[in-house]
Amino acid sequence: KAGVTQTPRYLIKTRGQQVTLSCSPISGHRSVSWYQQTPGQGLQFLFEYFSETQRNKGNFPGRFSGRQFSNSRSEMNVSTLELGDSALYLCASSPNTGSYNEQFFGPGTRLTVL
Amino acid sequence: AQSVTQLDSQVPVFEEAPVELRCNYSSSVSVYLFWYVQYPNQGLQLLLKYLSGSTLVKGINGFEAEFNKSQTSFHLRKPSVHISDTAEYFCAVSDTTGANNLFFGTGTRLTVIP
Repeated sequence: KAGVTQTPRYLIKTRGQQVTLSCSPISGHRSVSWYQQTPGQGLQFLFEYFSETQRNKGNFPGRFSGRQFSNSRSEMNVSTLELGDSALYLCASSPNTGSYNEQFFGPGTRLTVL
Repeated sequence: AQSVTQLDSQVPVFEEAPVELRCNYSSSVSVYLFWYVQYPNQGLQLLLKYLSGSTLVKGINGFEAEFNKSQTSFHLRKPSVHISDTAEYFCAVSDTTGANNLFFGTGTRLTVIP
C-alpha cells in the first residue's frame, strides 16, 4: 500500500499571502489529522477530519482551516500568512476502526514565509 | 487535556552503549502512550505504543519502553545503540476515546557517537 503523501514538499510564500497544502491518506483510511511542527512550539495538533467533517480542533486561529473530500483527501489552508507560520506541516491518516487508531504520518510540507 | 514532558532535549551516547530517553505525562483521564522517531526531512514513524496490558512494551529497532502509572512515566530504552539510531524522538499521549489528536513532548535529539 502506498503511504501518506503530501504535496508540495516545499513551499515559499510571503507575508499576507495564503497557501493550500494537500494530503492524500493511505487507501481505506477515513481520518486525516494535521499537525504543525516548529522549533519553538514543537508538534501541535491543528485539526482532524473524518467523513468530510471536522471532528477535533486544536488551539489555532481561524486563519487555519481545512476540508476533506469524499475520497478522504484533505487540504489545509492558511490565510494571511505570518512569519510565525513557517513550519513543517504534517498530516497523518488512520483507519478509524476502534478506540485505538494508529496514525501514519506523511513526510510533511515545509512552509517558509518570508 | 493531556501534556507530555521530555526531560532531556539532547542525549549524546557512544555507539553500542545503552540509552534511556525520559518521558513523563499528565492527564486526568486514561491515556494511550506512544514513542515516535523522526529522521531528518521525514515524517514520524511509530516506534512503540502502550494501550493496555503488560507495562513493558517492545517496539521496532530493538527499542522498548515501560509504562509506570504511579510515576506517570513512559521511558524509552535501548540496550545498545547504533549510528543509525541518531534521530529525534517524540513521546506522545492520546485519550482512549478514539480521538485522533496526539499531544507531543518537545522531543529528544539522540546523537550516537562513533
